[in-house]
Amino acid sequence: AQTVTQSQPEMSVQEAETVTLSCTYDTSESDYYLFWYKQPPSRQMILVIRQEAYKQQNATENRFSVNFQKAAKSFSLKISDSQLGDAAMYFCAYRSAYGGSQGNLIFGKGTKLSVKP
Amino acid sequence: GAGVSQSPSNKVTEKGKDVELRCDPISGHTALYWYRQSLGQGLEFLIYFQGNSAPDKSGLPSDRFSAERTGGSVSTLTIQRTQQEDSAVYLCASSLNWRTGGARAFFGQGTRLTVV
Repeated sequence: AQTVTQSQPEMSVQEAETVTLSCTYDTSESDYYLFWYKQPPSRQMILVIRQEAYKQQNATENRFSVNFQKAAKSFSLKISDSQLGDAAMYFCAYRSAYGGSQGNLIFGKGTKLSVKP
Repeated sequence: GAGVSQSPSNKVTEKGKDVELRCDPISGHTALYWYRQSLGQGLEFLIYFQGNSAPDKSGLPSDRFSAERTGGSVSTLTIQRTQQEDSAVYLCASSLNWRTGGARAFFGQGTRLTVV
């Protein structure tokens, strides 16, 4: 079974600085997708960024980028120029590329990010 | 609708009562997922639907939990004889299909269930 581990329960960053959130996962599959979701106090999960395992190039979305190390099964999220609105819970998630009975997202326990003005 | 809609937003119920939680997915999305998020925890997968059928019910925590989906659209998660440990946020998500692992999942705002 696949597992996702986020080893940092809480992180803090100064506004305008850069912060990196860690995520490792375990799987025997060769093809899969990895995601970072943001959950603000409104509770709604918002997709931040997505990475296809078959792509070597790291995904980027504006101020958000990932460092995907497939061999090490590591998938960290870097937030540049942090803003107050970035404060939230961040969840790393795994999903099989084959959908079907394994089509659900498997989540880590999350990292609570605080942004200091 | 424009997004995934869940109702009620908050629900307080007495221990032993039954509750129904509703999820209205994005129109045209054939895959629908239910997750449970306990305080300070990640999301625990409960069940998913391909159209109206649920091929994998192994994530349901007990036989007090059941779910159905009708017309390939609205889904209802029912918890019978609620217990205090059922208190959590129940999140619903939908995606265009279940075959493509990269298909984006859209989440509702969840139902916060409190069992007193």
